[in-house]
Amino acid sequence: DAGVTQSPTHLIKTRGQHVTLRCSPISGHKSVSWYQQVLGQGPQFIFQYYEKEERGRGNFPDRFSARQFPNYSSELNVNALLLGDSALYLCASSYQTGGYQPQHFGDGTRLSIL
Amino acid sequence: DQQVKQNSPSLSVQEGRISILNCDYTNSMFDYFLWYKKYPAEGPTFLISISSIKDKNEDGRFTVFLNKSAKHLSLHIVPSQPGDSAVYFCAASADSGTYKYIFGTGTRLKVLA
Repeated sequence: DAGVTQSPTHLIKTRGQHVTLRCSPISGHKSVSWYQQVLGQGPQFIFQYYEKEERGRGNFPDRFSARQFPNYSSELNVNALLLGDSALYLCASSYQTGGYQPQHFGDGTRLSIL
Repeated sequence: DQQVKQNSPSLSVQEGRISILNCDYTNSMFDYFLWYKKYPAEGPTFLISISSIKDKNEDGRFTVFLNKSAKHLSLHIVPSQPGDSAVYFCAASADSGTYKYIFGTGTRLKVLA
Protein backbone atom coordinates (compact mmCIF):
# COMPACT_ATOMS: atom_id res chain seq x y z
CA ASP A 1 0.00 0.00 0.00
CA ALA A 2 1.18 3.51 -0.78
CA GLY A 3 2.17 5.64 2.16
CA VAL A 4 1.53 9.35 2.54
CA THR A 5 2.55 11.12 -0.66
CA GLN A 6 3.45 14.77 -0.92
CA SER A 7 4.10 17.00 -3.91
CA PRO A 8 6.22 18.64 -4.98
CA THR A 9 9.33 17.30 -3.23
CA HIS A 10 11.25 20.53 -3.63
CA LEU A 11 10.16 24.07 -4.36
CA ILE A 12 11.96 27.40 -4.70
CA LYS A 13 10.01 30.62 -4.35
CA THR A 14 10.78 34.29 -3.79
CA ARG A 15 9.53 36.56 -1.03
CA GLY A 16 5.95 37.72 -1.46
CA GLN A 17 4.91 34.80 -3.65
CA HIS A 18 2.25 32.23 -2.86
CA VAL A 19 2.71 28.44 -2.63
CA THR A 20 0.42 25.40 -2.57
CA LEU A 21 1.61 22.08 -1.19
CA ARG A 22 -0.31 18.86 -1.70
CA CYS A 23 -0.78 15.70 0.30
CA SER A 24 -2.48 12.36 -0.31
CA PRO A 25 -3.07 10.32 2.85
CA ILE A 26 -2.75 6.59 3.25
CA SER A 27 -5.78 4.87 1.75
CA GLY A 28 -8.56 4.71 4.36
CA HIS A 29 -7.10 7.47 6.51
CA LYS A 30 -9.50 10.35 7.08
CA SER A 31 -7.36 12.73 9.10
CA VAL A 32 -4.53 14.85 7.73
CA SER A 33 -2.16 17.06 9.71
CA TRP A 34 0.46 19.53 8.53
CA TYR A 35 3.75 20.28 10.27
CA GLN A 36 6.64 22.66 9.60
CA GLN A 37 10.16 21.54 10.42
CA VAL A 38 13.03 24.01 10.39
CA LEU A 39 16.64 22.89 10.62
CA GLY A 40 17.64 21.64 14.04
CA GLN A 41 14.09 21.59 15.40
CA GLY A 42 11.30 19.07 15.69
CA PRO A 43 8.19 19.37 13.54
CA GLN A 44 5.79 22.16 14.58
CA PHE A 45 2.04 21.60 14.24
CA ILE A 46 0.24 23.82 11.72
CA PHE A 47 -3.20 22.29 11.04
CA GLN A 48 -5.28 19.16 11.45
CA TYR A 49 -8.26 18.25 9.28
CA TYR A 50 -10.74 15.44 9.73
CA GLU A 51 -13.66 14.75 7.41
CA LYS A 52 -12.99 18.06 5.64
CA GLU A 53 -13.27 20.09 8.83
CA GLU A 54 -10.47 21.91 10.61
CA ARG A 55 -9.92 20.23 13.98
CA GLY A 56 -6.87 22.12 15.15
CA ARG A 57 -4.63 25.04 14.33
CA GLY A 58 -1.15 25.76 15.59
CA ASN A 59 0.49 29.10 16.31
CA PHE A 60 0.97 30.20 12.72
CA PRO A 61 -0.13 33.46 11.05
CA ASP A 62 -3.20 33.77 8.86
CA ARG A 63 -0.96 33.61 5.80
CA PHE A 64 -1.14 29.85 6.33
CA SER A 65 -4.34 28.10 5.32
CA ALA A 66 -5.37 24.58 4.40
CA ARG A 67 -8.26 22.51 3.24
CA GLN A 68 -9.23 18.87 2.87
CA PHE A 69 -11.08 17.46 -0.09
CA PRO A 70 -13.82 14.78 -0.26
CA ASN A 71 -11.18 12.16 -1.17
CA TYR A 72 -9.33 13.16 2.06
CA SER A 73 -6.37 14.67 0.22
CA SER A 74 -5.26 18.06 1.46
CA GLU A 75 -3.60 21.30 0.40
CA LEU A 76 -1.54 23.71 2.46
CA ASN A 77 -1.42 27.27 1.16
CA VAL A 78 1.01 29.94 2.25
CA ASN A 79 0.62 33.54 1.06
CA ALA A 80 3.08 36.45 1.08
CA LEU A 81 6.06 34.17 1.61
CA LEU A 82 8.80 35.29 3.99
CA LEU A 83 12.39 34.10 4.23
CA GLY A 84 11.47 32.46 7.54
CA ASP A 85 9.00 30.18 5.79
CA SER A 86 11.90 28.19 4.39
CA ALA A 87 11.45 24.75 5.92
CA LEU A 88 10.46 21.15 5.38
CA TYR A 89 6.67 20.86 5.31
CA LEU A 90 5.41 17.49 6.46
CA CYS A 91 2.00 15.95 6.02
CA ALA A 92 0.80 13.15 8.30
CA SER A 93 -2.29 10.99 8.14
CA SER A 94 -4.19 8.76 10.54
CA TYR A 95 -7.44 6.84 10.37
CA GLN A 96 -9.16 9.30 12.67
CA THR A 97 -8.23 11.95 15.17
CA GLY A 98 -7.02 10.87 18.57
CA GLY A 99 -7.76 7.45 20.00
CA TYR A 100 -4.12 6.67 20.54
CA GLN A 101 -3.45 6.19 16.85
CA PRO A 102 -0.08 7.12 15.41
CA GLN A 103 0.17 9.61 12.59
CA HIS A 104 2.16 8.45 9.58
CA PHE A 105 4.29 11.01 7.79
CA GLY A 106 5.16 11.62 4.18
CA ASP A 107 8.68 12.57 3.07
CA GLY A 108 7.80 16.24 2.99
CA THR A 109 8.15 19.20 0.65
CA ARG A 110 11.37 21.19 0.99
CA LEU A 111 10.46 24.86 0.48
CA SER A 112 13.22 27.39 -0.08
CA ILE A 113 12.49 31.11 -0.13
CA LEU A 114 14.97 33.41 -1.88
CA ASP B 1 7.95 27.22 25.97
CA GLN B 2 9.40 23.82 25.11
CA GLN B 3 6.86 21.33 26.43
CA VAL B 4 8.79 18.30 25.17
CA LYS B 5 12.54 18.25 25.66
CA GLN B 6 15.27 16.00 24.41
CA ASN B 7 18.34 17.28 26.21
CA SER B 8 20.89 15.11 24.42
CA PRO B 9 21.44 16.34 20.86
CA SER B 10 23.57 13.32 20.02
CA LEU B 11 24.49 9.84 21.23
CA SER B 12 27.08 7.31 20.04
CA VAL B 13 26.77 3.62 20.88
CA GLN B 14 28.72 0.55 19.91
CA GLU B 15 26.94 -2.01 17.73
CA GLY B 16 25.28 -4.70 19.84
CA ARG B 17 25.02 -2.53 22.93
CA ILE B 18 21.95 -0.80 24.34
CA SER B 19 20.92 2.67 23.16
CA ILE B 20 18.89 4.75 25.61
CA LEU B 21 17.25 7.91 24.37
CA ASN B 22 15.55 10.20 26.86
CA CYS B 23 12.68 12.66 26.71
CA ASP B 24 11.13 14.94 29.33
CA TYR B 25 7.81 16.75 29.20
CA THR B 26 6.17 19.46 31.24
CA ASN B 27 2.46 19.25 30.39
CA SER B 28 0.66 16.84 32.72
CA MET B 29 -2.27 16.70 30.25
CA PHE B 30 -0.21 14.67 27.77
CA ASP B 31 -1.58 11.13 27.64
CA TYR B 32 -0.07 9.62 24.49
CA PHE B 33 3.60 9.47 23.64
CA LEU B 34 5.39 8.34 20.52
CA TRP B 35 8.88 7.85 19.15
CA TYR B 36 9.75 8.52 15.52
CA LYS B 37 12.95 7.83 13.60
CA LYS B 38 14.06 10.11 10.80
CA TYR B 39 16.64 9.49 8.11
CA PRO B 40 17.93 12.39 5.97
CA ALA B 41 15.60 13.32 3.09
CA GLU B 42 12.80 11.16 4.48
CA GLY B 43 9.81 11.88 6.68
CA PRO B 44 9.64 10.67 10.29
CA THR B 45 8.86 6.96 10.59
CA PHE B 46 6.68 5.80 13.47
CA LEU B 47 8.52 3.43 15.82
CA ILE B 48 6.56 2.82 18.99
CA SER B 49 4.01 4.51 21.21
CA ILE B 50 2.66 4.32 24.74
CA SER B 51 -0.47 5.63 26.40
CA SER B 52 -0.43 7.10 29.88
CA ILE B 53 -2.21 4.09 31.37
CA LYS B 54 0.90 1.99 30.78
CA ASP B 55 4.46 2.30 31.95
CA LYS B 56 6.10 0.05 29.37
CA ASN B 57 5.54 -1.00 25.80
CA GLU B 58 7.73 -3.37 23.84
CA ASP B 59 8.05 -4.08 20.12
CA GLY B 60 10.95 -6.27 19.08
CA ARG B 61 14.21 -4.49 19.81
CA PHE B 62 12.40 -1.31 20.89
CA THR B 63 10.99 -0.66 24.36
CA VAL B 64 9.49 2.59 25.61
CA PHE B 65 9.27 3.33 29.32
CA LEU B 66 7.02 6.01 30.80
CA ASN B 67 7.48 7.52 34.26
CA LYS B 68 4.49 9.79 34.76
CA SER B 69 5.52 11.09 38.16
CA ALA B 70 8.84 12.25 36.72
CA LYS B 71 7.28 13.30 33.41
CA HIS B 72 9.96 11.28 31.65
CA LEU B 73 10.02 8.69 28.92
CA SER B 74 12.83 6.74 27.38
CA LEU B 75 13.41 4.57 24.33
CA HIS B 76 15.64 1.52 24.68
CA ILE B 77 17.06 -0.17 21.59
CA VAL B 78 18.62 -3.57 22.20
CA PRO B 79 20.77 -4.65 20.47
CA SER B 80 21.71 -1.52 18.56
CA GLN B 81 22.50 -1.94 14.86
CA PRO B 82 24.25 0.40 12.41
CA GLY B 83 20.95 0.81 10.53
CA ASP B 84 19.51 2.40 13.67
CA SER B 85 21.69 5.46 13.06
CA ALA B 86 19.19 8.29 12.59
CA VAL B 87 17.58 11.23 14.38
CA TYR B 88 15.00 10.14 16.96
CA PHE B 89 12.11 12.40 17.95
CA CYS B 90 9.78 11.94 20.85
CA ALA B 91 6.31 13.40 20.58
CA ALA B 92 3.37 13.85 22.92
CA SER B 93 -0.30 14.63 22.57
CA ALA B 94 -3.24 15.38 24.85
CA ASP B 95 -6.78 14.11 24.36
CA SER B 96 -8.06 17.66 24.14
CA GLY B 97 -9.94 17.48 20.85
CA THR B 98 -6.98 18.71 18.86
CA TYR B 99 -4.73 15.73 18.47
CA LYS B 100 -1.65 17.66 17.54
CA TYR B 101 1.72 16.24 18.36
CA ILE B 102 4.29 18.29 20.26
CA PHE B 103 7.76 17.17 19.22
CA GLY B 104 11.10 17.37 20.94
CA THR B 105 14.15 18.69 19.10
CA GLY B 106 15.53 15.23 18.39
CA THR B 107 18.55 13.14 19.33
CA ARG B 108 21.00 12.00 16.66
CA LEU B 109 21.97 8.39 17.31
CA LYS B 110 25.11 6.98 15.76
CA VAL B 111 25.69 3.24 16.08
CA LEU B 112 29.32 2.37 15.53
CA ALA B 113 30.19 -0.89 13.79
